[in-house]
Amino acid sequence: EVQLLESGGGLVQPGESLRLSCAASGFTFSIHWMGWVRQAPGKGPEWVATIKEDGSEKYYVDSVKGRFIISRDNAKNSLYLQMDRLRAEDTAMYHCARVVGHSGDHWGQGSRVTVSS
Amino acid sequence: DVVMTQSPLSLPVTLGQPASISCKSSQSLVHRDGYTYFHWFHQRPGQSPRRLIYLVSNRDSGVPDRFSGSGSGPDFTLKISRVEAEDVGVYYCMQGTHWPWTFGQGTKVEIK
Repeated sequence: EVQLLESGGGLVQPGESLRLSCAASGFTFSIHWMGWVRQAPGKGPEWVATIKEDGSEKYYVDSVKGRFIISRDNAKNSLYLQMDRLRAEDTAMYHCARVVGHSGDHWGQGSRVTVSS
Repeated sequence: DVVMTQSPLSLPVTLGQPASISCKSSQSLVHRDGYTYFHWFHQRPGQSPRRLIYLVSNRDSGVPDRFSGSGSGPDFTLKISRVEAEDVGVYYCMQGTHWPWTFGQGTKVEIK
């Protein structure tokens, strides 16, 4: 069974940093693109970043370019999202997703990030 | 960015009756590899979105056959042949052809 478990969220002030982690199990992590999708309270999902199987290609939505970095460790079956210079508009539930067919076929339950002073 | 426009945004339905949701993309969703990366998701309250339909018309594993997807761009449709109580929630269309991948605004389905 595919399982994705996010961690690392919390309450931070604007300008601070957080690092999200996603522990994957139940599938061969190293052969799948992976991504992060966020959903602000009461809003629809927004695809934030995606990374190729070997980490050689990374894509970001414009609103996070230069502030967020997606990375992975295939030896640890783990996906990461380093988030710097956080803004109030980054407040959302952040989901880790396995990418199949250019979309997320499995999603984790999410890690909540709140940016507020 | 590709804009995905769903209609209606709210859909009251009667149990056992059919339901239909439309989604229109602002650009062609045919990828250079020939595939149309258009998908449907369902989100129940308090849960993560779950993919129902991928590549326009293919049901994901475990999705009941009362759900069907169709369309050829820019107009796509999700149909539920007979609505059941567990089908309530918000439905999102999504395109994965052009980066950034984008979702529609969502259609909230509730029982009358």
